[in-house]
Amino acid sequence: AQTVTQSQPEMSVQEAETVTLSCTYDTSESDYYLFWYKQPPSRQMILVIRQEAYKQQNATENRFSVNFQKAAKSFSLKISDSQLGDAAMYFCAYRSALGFWIKAAGNKLTFGGGTRVLVKP
Amino acid sequence: DAGITQSPRHKVTETGTPVTLRCHQTENHRYMYWYRQDPGHGLRLIHYSYGVKDTDKGEVSDGYSVSRSKTEDFLLTLESATSSQTSVYFCAISDLRGNQETQYFGPGTRLLVL
Repeated sequence: AQTVTQSQPEMSVQEAETVTLSCTYDTSESDYYLFWYKQPPSRQMILVIRQEAYKQQNATENRFSVNFQKAAKSFSLKISDSQLGDAAMYFCAYRSALGFWIKAAGNKLTFGGGTRVLVKP
Repeated sequence: DAGITQSPRHKVTETGTPVTLRCHQTENHRYMYWYRQDPGHGLRLIHYSYGVKDTDKGEVSDGYSVSRSKTEDFLLTLESATSSQTSVYFCAISDLRGNQETQYFGPGTRLLVL
């Protein structure tokens, strides 16, 4: 079974600065997807960024970028130019690429325990 | 916006009472999921559906059942609620737009079992 670990329970960053959140995962599969979700105080789960394991290029979405190291099974999220609205819980998640068209069994997301990001004005 | 709503958004109930949570989607997505969120655990899959009347168990399915009689609705039932089922419940759908499967979540339902 896959596991996802976020080793930082909480991170603090000054507004306009950069913060990097760590995520490691364990899998025996070669094809999979990785995601970062943001959960603000409203509790809504918001997709921040996704990465396909077969792509070597790191995904980027505006101020959010990832450092995907497949061999090390590491998937960190960098938030640049941090804003007050970035304050939230951030969850790393893993999904297998297997079995989607047959059954949804491989589609479940496995989440890490989350990292709380505090943004100081 | 994946057009997902959940009802109720908040519920307080007593131990032993049956509870049904509803997830409704408006965009005809085939795959739907129920997760629960507890402190320190992230989200964990309870049940999922890969079509009308096609459902299967996730990793924390004990004490829960689901039904999907229409594409747009996925119901989660706690047959006899227990305090350990106090949690926040999220529904999700898989969106295949652009051939990029991504799960999008509803707003969540906070359930308190006394």
